[in-house]
Amino acid sequence: AQSVAQPEDQVNVAEGNPLTVKCTYSVSGNPYLFWYVQYPNRGLQFLLKYITGDNLVKGSYGFEAEFNKSQTSFHLKKPSALVSDSALYFCAVSPLTGGFKTIFGAGTRLFVKA
Amino acid sequence: DAGVTQSPTHLIKTRGQHVTLRCSPISGHKSVSWYQQVLGQGPQFIFQYYEKEERGRGNFPDRFSARQFPNYSSELNVNALLLGDSALYLCASSSSGLGMGGMGYEQYFGPGTRLTVT
Repeated sequence: AQSVAQPEDQVNVAEGNPLTVKCTYSVSGNPYLFWYVQYPNRGLQFLLKYITGDNLVKGSYGFEAEFNKSQTSFHLKKPSALVSDSALYFCAVSPLTGGFKTIFGAGTRLFVKA
Repeated sequence: DAGVTQSPTHLIKTRGQHVTLRCSPISGHKSVSWYQQVLGQGPQFIFQYYEKEERGRGNFPDRFSARQFPNYSSELNVNALLLGDSALYLCASSSSGLGMGGMGYEQYFGPGTRLTVT
């Protein structure tokens, strides 16, 4: 079955430190990969995506993500965390076959401490 | 420009009833998707429509149906409501074209409709 795993329910990091939110997927072929963020009382917002090309993609608010085909991972990173980055982060995958669908992970709550 | 709008914001229904949720996409977006988000979980894909045709369907029972109108707005209908249908229902639009099968484009989400079934 196709799935997306976000192994950490919560990630805690101090402001100014680098952060990583992990994502692995189990989907046949080379899917499209996305990260979305959900701030309190706000809707899901697109952060970045990987379609093809350079394995390191850059997105909004200083976030970037690294695609690793051999490990089927797409980890979200930021060099220096801000308190305002505290939110719920979702990894999502769109398989290239079987019709349109987007599979979301369960989400990882990021808490950045001042 | 207005973002994706959904109505109503909140809804309380009784088991066995029917519900219709509505979504208006961002102007110019022709693709609309529906998701169910249960508390503590990620959104679960229900349907995707493009140019008024269903292009994708998730693992939901036939009680769930949807349609897209000529102005690209969309309705999600759920019949014979169950307690387990209580969730936040999200609508998302994208500017996807058939060229990429609608899968490579980022989605813009509405605030959702909170459905409670009692």
